[in-house]
Amino acid sequence: EAQVTQNPRYLITVTGKKLTVTCSQNMNHEYMSWYRQDPGLGLRQIYYSMNVEVTDKGDVPEGYKVSRKEKRNFPLILESPSPNQTSLYFCASSLRGQLSSYNEQFFGPGTRLTVL
Amino acid sequence: AQSVTQLDSHVSVSEGTPVLLRCNYSSSYSPSLFWYVQHPNKGLQLLLKYTSAATLVKGINGFEAEFKKSETSFHLTKPSAHMSDAAEYFCVVSGVGTYKSIFGTGTRLKVLA
Repeated sequence: EAQVTQNPRYLITVTGKKLTVTCSQNMNHEYMSWYRQDPGLGLRQIYYSMNVEVTDKGDVPEGYKVSRKEKRNFPLILESPSPNQTSLYFCASSLRGQLSSYNEQFFGPGTRLTVL
Repeated sequence: AQSVTQLDSHVSVSEGTPVLLRCNYSSSYSPSLFWYVQHPNKGLQLLLKYTSAATLVKGINGFEAEFKKSETSFHLTKPSAHMSDAAEYFCVVSGVGTYKSIFGTGTRLKVLA
């Protein structure tokens, strides 16, 4: 089944404790992206990757890191989480980046992160 | 620069009546426009997308959207609401020339029995 998977689905952690949220897609998509969803703000793009080893900042990159060493994986790293990073996080993938045709994004199920 | 504005944060309709969710956009590029739906505690699912082939776009579950360049709008409609349509809806703009996606703040649709 074609899908985007994220792990963990739920995570409670404490300020300053490094964490990684994994994202994997099995559709051979070039483009992957991370979003955070907060009430009243919709989804905001954190980072995106146009292909392996090519990443760029979205609108809210502060406090996050990403890497794209393999096409299928795009982990999100919080090196020193803070309470303002408490949010619902979504990973998404797309066949091509939006630079080409009108490719929709396929979303993972979300990761609910709480930073105490 | 790109931006998207969803004009209503909440919309309530009675079951069987029409639905209108409004979205205005601005884009320096030729826009790609999408509507996604998020049911409670679920991920996002594509409803429909504007591909420039036709200004009236049909999506899943009876939803449609019309691209109006002169009004920079991409409103979502459905002739008759169903209880299962209760969800949050997001308008998204991207475009040829950019890799970024900009989401609207969402419209929560409530369907009354």
